[in-house]
Amino acid sequence: EVQLLESGGGLVQPGGSLRLSCEASGFTFSTYAMSWVRQAPGKGLEWVSGISGSGGSTYYADSVKGRFTISRDNSKNTLFLQMNTLRAEDTATYYCATWDWNNYYSHYWGLGTLVTVSS
Amino acid sequence: QSALTQPPSASGSPGQSVTISCTGTSSDVGTYNFVSWYQQHPGKAPKLMIYDVSKRPSGVPDRFSGSKSGNTASLTVSGLQADDEADYFCSSYAGSINVFGTGTKVTVL
Repeated sequence: EVQLLESGGGLVQPGGSLRLSCEASGFTFSTYAMSWVRQAPGKGLEWVSGISGSGGSTYYADSVKGRFTISRDNSKNTLFLQMNTLRAEDTATYYCATWDWNNYYSHYWGLGTLVTVSS
Repeated sequence: QSALTQPPSASGSPGQSVTISCTGTSSDVGTYNFVSWYQQHPGKAPKLMIYDVSKRPSGVPDRFSGSKSGNTASLTVSGLQADDEADYFCSSYAGSINVFGTGTKVTVL
């Protein structure tokens, strides 16, 4: 059974940093591209970032480019999102999800971790 | 990277059909046949319902179907059931990134 478990969310002040993790199990992690998708409270989904299975290719939404960094450790089946210079508008539940590299859809999703940016 | 446009709400009685539109541009929906649809119940993670415009993952009932014409994709839910009441989001590849729709709340009357 595919499982994705996010962690690392919490309350952070504007301008601060946070690192999210997503531990994967139930599939061969290194063969799957992965993504982060966020959802502000009461709002819609927003694609944030994606990374290839090898980690050699990364992609970002304009809203986070230059502030967020996606990475992965295939030896530990773990996906990361380093978030710097956080803003109030980054407040959201962050989901990690698989990302089909050829057809660009997300089949498996985690339960999400809440990030709150507030003073 | 603007969000795809969906109607805020849609509704139907049990057994009826409802169709949700998802309008993009020639930079996303109009160019790529990589449109997917997700169902989200309150407080839950999204669930993949349709990918590649009209394909259903294993386990998704054939009451759910997808199509596309030009810059607009559509999701049709036939034979509405109480459990279909949820938020639905479309998504399209837009050249190295994905973009999501604004979301549609489906109410089963």
